[in-house]
Amino acid sequence: SSELTQDPAVSVALGQTVRITCQGDSLRSYYASWYQQKPGQAPVLVIYGKNNRPSGIPDRFSGSSSGNTASLTITGAQAEDEADYYCNSRDSSGNQDVVFGGGTKLTVL
Amino acid sequence: QVQLQESGPGLVKPSQTLSLTCTVSGGSISSGSYYWSWIRQPAGKGLEWIGRIYTSGSTNYNPSLKSRVTISVDTSKNQFSLKLSSVTAADTAVYYCARTMVRGLYYFDYWGQGTLVTVSS
Repeated sequence: SSELTQDPAVSVALGQTVRITCQGDSLRSYYASWYQQKPGQAPVLVIYGKNNRPSGIPDRFSGSSSGNTASLTITGAQAEDEADYYCNSRDSSGNQDVVFGGGTKLTVL
Repeated sequence: QVQLQESGPGLVKPSQTLSLTCTVSGGSISSGSYYWSWIRQPAGKGLEWIGRIYTSGSTNYNPSLKSRVTISVDTSKNQFSLKLSSVTAADTAVYYCARTMVRGLYYFDYWGQGTLVTVSS
């Protein structure tokens, strides 16, 4: 299958830790990348590869992977982290180059 | 700092061809090992990869759109373009251009702000 599956919505209390997951067969072969998208804005890359953060991304964002599941962890969530989060990876099925997850809406309470 | 900017008509009639251009600034489109992609997002929905191009002109497209998509590059203008033919209302979306790293990993590190294209008569 070339799909990546994400929970539609997740919530976290301010200052607490939250993990957003992404599942798919492609993740057994390739690392996921993660994007944050706030309303009316373009997505922003927050994690790529094993656990790499682009310049300017706070270190409270981290990535991990196990089997067919990739995770984005926010340690000490802030109000400004409320956003939609998307994962993507190469498609191991060969159907297409790349696949995206359906996105997770993160609410910071 | 690399910047990307989409441009093109915001309204396209059904059955016509959608045409967008992405202008890259802050660096040469030909430098490095980067590809250049188009991605779209219908209102309230997720991201859909449309296709990518390398500065050599080599392209890869989403199979679901392949029959209708053409992506081209003009290195002299530091631009790449998208054409999507025979559009319907289902093609109404925000269209993004993005710099793409394809080397084992596959990620989009710089994005344009996006441009809304509405398909309507």
